[in-house]
Amino acid sequence: TQLLEQSPQFLSIQEGENLTVYCNSSSVFSSLQWYRQEPGEGPVLLVTVVTGGEVKKLKRLTFQFGDARKDSSLHITAAQPGDTGLYLCALTSDKLIFGTGTRLQVFP
Amino acid sequence: NAGVTQTPKFQVLKTGQSMTLQCAQDMNHEYMSWYRQDPGMGLRLIHYSVGAGITDQGEVPNGYNVSRSTTEDFPLRLLSAAPSQTSVYFCASSYQGEGTEAFFGQGTRLTVV
Repeated sequence: TQLLEQSPQFLSIQEGENLTVYCNSSSVFSSLQWYRQEPGEGPVLLVTVVTGGEVKKLKRLTFQFGDARKDSSLHITAAQPGDTGLYLCALTSDKLIFGTGTRLQVFP
Repeated sequence: NAGVTQTPKFQVLKTGQSMTLQCAQDMNHEYMSWYRQDPGMGLRLIHYSVGAGITDQGEVPNGYNVSRSTTEDFPLRLLSAAPSQTSVYFCASSYQGEGTEAFFGQGTRLTVV
């Protein structure tokens, strides 16, 4: 059983479109992270959210932590080809557990 | 800054062979971990360590052994490779504590034939 489910699994969009990626669990998180992984590389941290209802912005990326701390979302405004990659949410506790991932392809 | 270094980058093994994937970090991080990533999927935790001399199992530990004799090194051993262990392996390190940033190596692509 996967602790963290991400949706959609795949997303293919045109440059300039907006998109939202979701991360859900039946368990409460104490904190959650989002990573981006490009082909041939390891994941790189984008953000850490720790407070229910928290919203963090990183340029065109907006991250939200659900009020009940059981879900999170990543919204990208005006996607660009450079946003292409695998987006992973991760549960941080005594160990780092990753979600199933969302593979995003942005076409020019 | 070297960060997290994994060797080798690529490896082909025959079924039943053994090998060790090396991982070293120079950031004095207490926490180190190994993941495997299968095509189109996220990362699954194999083993992790919170400090020298301490290791624990992750989500998919079967077929893998680890040890942590120093803070810097965390090797992953496959005692008898199986085709099901064909995957890309990532090592990560971080300071201990929730919400700390994990730094990853560039991965080892392992094929077992």
